[in-house]
Amino acid sequence: TQLLEQSPQFLSIQEGENLTVYCNSSSVFSSLQWYRQEPGEGPVLLVTVVTGGEVKKLKRLTFQFGDARKDSSLHITAAQPGDTGLYLCAGVDSGGYQKVTFGIGTKLQVIP
Amino acid sequence: EADIYQTPRYLVIGTGKKITLECSQTMGHDKMYWYQQDPGMELHLIHYSYGVNSTEKGDLSSESTVSRIRTEHFPLTLESARPSHTSQYLCASSESGQGKNIQYFGAGTRLSVL
Repeated sequence: TQLLEQSPQFLSIQEGENLTVYCNSSSVFSSLQWYRQEPGEGPVLLVTVVTGGEVKKLKRLTFQFGDARKDSSLHITAAQPGDTGLYLCAGVDSGGYQKVTFGIGTKLQVIP
Repeated sequence: EADIYQTPRYLVIGTGKKITLECSQTMGHDKMYWYQQDPGMELHLIHYSYGVNSTEKGDLSSESTVSRIRTEHFPLTLESARPSHTSQYLCASSESGQGKNIQYFGAGTRLSVL
């Protein structure tokens, strides 16, 4: 079973601060996805990164896929209270079934 | 916006009752999944299906069962609910094919067994 480790698991910061969340594995993935889940809702996809070294930006969020496609990071600039939620990374196997493995998640709280 | 629906959203029942959690999607996706999640915590895959009449157990052992008689419908059943089944249950679906593995989630069913 492939494992995805996320760190930190919990993060509480003040509005306006920057933060980085990490997602690491010993396995290679064909792609990696980041989801955000708000309380009482299901996760929603933020971005998919496919190519080693790829960087994608979504407004104040910057996602990077490691060169070896084993790890990824999510950087948030000037965090807002609306960024509060559970951030989940998910690795996609390169096999035929393209199994998706979710990390444990990072619970982010942005205090106004 | 994802077209995947779960009912009920909240369910409080007594021990020993049989329950069925409903999940339907209108996107024509072949793949469907059930996850168990304690509030704000990690997702555990308990069942998945790659098409009609195909069901498999996930990584986390569960006493629940599933069926996939129609593409759009993937219900989950607990024959005899227990307090240990108290959790949030999330249903998801995705397309088949290379690079089409984005999972679309329902809003979840929050189950409490007394």
